[in-house]
Amino acid sequence: DAGVTQSPTHLIKTRGQQVTLRCSPKSGHDTVSWYQQALGQGPQFIFQYYEEEERQRGNFPDRFSGHQFPNYSSELNVNALLLGDSALYLCASSLDISSYNEQFFGPGTRLTVL
Amino acid sequence: RKEVEQDPGPFNVPEGATVAFNCTYSNSASQSFFWYRQDCRKEPKLLMSVYSSGNEDGRFTAQLNRASQYISLLIRDSKLSDSATYLCVVKKGSTLGRLYFGRGTQLTVWP
Repeated sequence: DAGVTQSPTHLIKTRGQQVTLRCSPKSGHDTVSWYQQALGQGPQFIFQYYEEEERQRGNFPDRFSGHQFPNYSSELNVNALLLGDSALYLCASSLDISSYNEQFFGPGTRLTVL
Repeated sequence: RKEVEQDPGPFNVPEGATVAFNCTYSNSASQSFFWYRQDCRKEPKLLMSVYSSGNEDGRFTAQLNRASQYISLLIRDSKLSDSATYLCVVKKGSTLGRLYFGRGTQLTVWP
């Protein structure tokens, strides 16, 4: 039973560029949430996808956008990268949008913006 | 004010020691409470849920005080393998599974 997978593992970009990160949820899960974890901080919620729609969003600018595909996988896009976007980006999946189900995290994508 | 506040530490303790972590949360609508463990450069993993009556899992004991909006984690007989960052996490029932994380408390257990 495959867990949550994310790609790429590491990424280096320069300011102003755009990046796309990918996530495949745990088998049987249909809800995907994205978190940003800056160095020395706890993960911060970016947004959540369910039934191919963004269901809720944290306090992140519109430069952060996402998508969920019919197979429940998801992408996180960040435009006009800033140095402050350097972080570990974590994807978490859960079974349906209920608040009672455990979320499982993927290994993350470490993004460095130069 | 942040949703979840934690002392970042670091805590450095010898093997066999007992160590306690605390956190406070700001929103009384918070419904579910957890401790996650995060190893260096890895993803967070659920350590244990925290229940109002308090709960224990081996050497780990979690307590919740809803009146004071306070959560604790006690680790007894610390092992080298307990070295990690411990994240206090809160979930509000109205926010469809969104997790609110504290910044984490770093623990190093030395031989």
